[in-house]
Amino acid sequence: QLQLQESGPGLVKPSETLSLTCTVSGGSISSSSYYWGWIRQPPGKGLEWIGSIYYSGSTYYNPSLKSRVTISVDTSKNQFSLKLSSVTAADTAVYYCARLPPITMVQGAGAFDIWGQGTMVTVSS
Amino acid sequence: EIVLTQSPATLSLSPGERATLSCRASQSVSSYLAWYQQKPGQAPRLLIYDASNRATGIPARFSGSGSGTDFTLTISSLEPEDFAVYYCQQRSNWPLITFGQGTRLEIK
Repeated sequence: QLQLQESGPGLVKPSETLSLTCTVSGGSISSSSYYWGWIRQPPGKGLEWIGSIYYSGSTYYNPSLKSRVTISVDTSKNQFSLKLSSVTAADTAVYYCARLPPITMVQGAGAFDIWGQGTMVTVSS
Repeated sequence: EIVLTQSPATLSLSPGERATLSCRASQSVSSYLAWYQQKPGQAPRLLIYDASNRATGIPARFSGSGSGTDFTLTISSLEPEDFAVYYCQQRSNWPLITFGQGTRLEIK
């Protein structure tokens, strides 16, 4: 059974870079041509897609965050990572990683079908 | 950018009643719309993809319909565990993704 687990600092100072890692277990990150995504949710608010990465390394970002976001994949460690630079209090949120089946897949095409439990990141000095 | 608007913001119903949640897109997204359920302190759970296809393990009381700009998630008879927040998500301009702002389904 595939599982995803986010990890990283729970507290980041303003203007610094937020760094999170998602570890995939129970399956290979490079199998079946899946995409892997990051989504965040500020306290009491809705979901915001941050970006996605294809197992080959191609990346796609939310235009509103594109200038500050970098997503990378390490297939040898079965992990993918998020870096968000120049953070402010507005970046305080629960950050989720999730699997995103490609649109060519019969089951779950283009929808996040497996999620990590989420990790709370607070931006504060 | 495609904007998804969900209505109502809050829906108050009793167990056993039928729930109808709406998601409207600012331009056509064809049938490329998904629905999620989120309970407090939990990650979202995929319910429906491509407007009307139930995800694995989702009960038959959940159904989705619509195409173009207007979509509906229907819960035929509410169970106590169905009270949660529901989000729609489009993938029309794949691989870019957009979520709606959510509808809170609360017990009346």
